[in-house]
Amino acid sequence: AQKVTQAQTEISVVEKEDVTLDCVYETRDTTYYLFWYKQPPSGELVFLIRRNSFDEQNEISGRYSWNFQKSTSSFNFTITASQVVDSAVYFCALSEGRGNEKLTFGTGTRLTIIP
Amino acid sequence: NAGVTQTPKFRVLKTGQSMTLLCAQDMNHEYMYWYRQDPGMGLRLIHYSVGEGTTAKGEVPDGYNVSRLKKQNFLLGLESAAPSQTSVYFCASSYGLAGGVSNEQFFGPGTRLTVL
Repeated sequence: AQKVTQAQTEISVVEKEDVTLDCVYETRDTTYYLFWYKQPPSGELVFLIRRNSFDEQNEISGRYSWNFQKSTSSFNFTITASQVVDSAVYFCALSEGRGNEKLTFGTGTRLTIIP
Repeated sequence: NAGVTQTPKFRVLKTGQSMTLLCAQDMNHEYMYWYRQDPGMGLRLIHYSVGEGTTAKGEVPDGYNVSRLKKQNFLLGLESAAPSQTSVYFCASSYGLAGGVSNEQFFGPGTRLTVL
């Protein structure tokens, strides 16, 4: 069975600091997909990134970057120069790409950026 | 495009009552999902559908039923509500495995359900 672990329940940092959110996953499949979603205080879930198991290149999008390491089964998310608008709950999720595309979510990390 | 919409946004039920949550999407997505979100537990899949007329069980299906009579709609039913079903319910849709990749899911705004 697949599993996603986000060990950090809550993180608080002062604005402009960098912060890394950890995600560790378990799966028996060789083909799988990893996702990050953001849930701001308003409650909706916003898609941030998708990464497939064959692409280990790190990705950078503005202040956001993702580090995918198959050797440690991790897909960590870093926010550089954090801003108050980054305050949200962040979820890491895994899909095994078997056709039903079901997502297994981690329990989320609540990030608070202190002005 | 409205994206994914959910009706109602809030609902309070008494134990034993029934209700139906409606999810609608206008993106012509094949796949649709129902999740529940509880504090400290992330989102858990209740039921899902990979096409019109099809449904399947997810991780926590007990106490719920679903129907996908039209491609754009996915209904979640509670036949006899219990306090354990107090939760926030999210509907999502996606293109599924179209294009050979697992496409991202688009989520609705959620329905907050309280069962007394």
